[in-house]
Amino acid sequence: GQQLNQSPQSMFIQEGEDVSMNCTSSSIFNTWLWYKQDPGEGPVLLIALYKAGELTSNGRLTAQFGITRKDSFLNISASIPSDVGIYFCAGQPGNYGGSQGNLIFGKGTKLSVKP
Amino acid sequence: GAGVSQSPRYKVAKRGQDVALRCDPISGHVSLFWYQQALGQGPEFLTYFQNEAQLDKSGLPSDRFFAERPEGSVSTLKIQRTQQEDSAVYLCASSFNALAGGRAGELFFGEGSRLTVL
Repeated sequence: GQQLNQSPQSMFIQEGEDVSMNCTSSSIFNTWLWYKQDPGEGPVLLIALYKAGELTSNGRLTAQFGITRKDSFLNISASIPSDVGIYFCAGQPGNYGGSQGNLIFGKGTKLSVKP
Repeated sequence: GAGVSQSPRYKVAKRGQDVALRCDPISGHVSLFWYQQALGQGPEFLTYFQNEAQLDKSGLPSDRFFAERPEGSVSTLKIQRTQQEDSAVYLCASSFNALAGGRAGELFFGEGSRLTVL
C-alpha cells in the first residue's frame, strides 16, 4: 500500500535550536498534515496543507506542501523543552477514492532533549 | 470533557477472548474514524463512519474486527477471538464532517485504548 518516508527517525535538540523534518512519497498527495503525539496521548493536529506550494505557519512551526505534491517539511524554530514528542506527517493520496479521513501516516520523528 | 473520549484506556485480554472498545466523539461531529497504532509505528486506518453509516471499512485487518455506530454518536470497535498480533493502541478520531470538503484530515483524536493480548 501507500507509504510515507519520514526522516529523520529521531533527533536530539538543545533548547533554542531550530529543527527540521520531512516526509516524502512516491505518489502525489492531495493533503499534507503534521501531527504531534505525546506519550500516552492521541495525535494532535499542528498544521494542515491543502495546496501544492502552500507555506503555512503556526507560531514557531512552519510547514510546506511540496510543489511536486510528493513531499512536505516541518520546521520548528527556537525549540523549547515542551517540543519533545513524536511528530507524524500524514496525507491523503491524490488518486485515492476512499473516505476523506483515511490518512496515510509516516512512522514518526522522535524529538528528544540532548543530555 | 469536550474532547474525544475512549474507554477502557488499558485492556489486557487472554488470547481468544473478545474485547469491546468504546469511543465517544466530540458532540456534533458527524465523522468518526478508528485507527490502529502498533508500537513504534504511525496510526493505520481501520474504518470510517459518517453518522451511523459505515462508509469505509477497508482497513479492518480481518473479519474478527467489527465496528458499529448505531445512533450516529458513540461507536464500539469489537475484536473477536483476539490474537497476539492484535496488541496495539486503538485510536478513535472524529471530525465535524469529512465530506463537507476542504478540511479533510483535520481529525481530533482520543487518548486511545491500549490492548495487550497475552
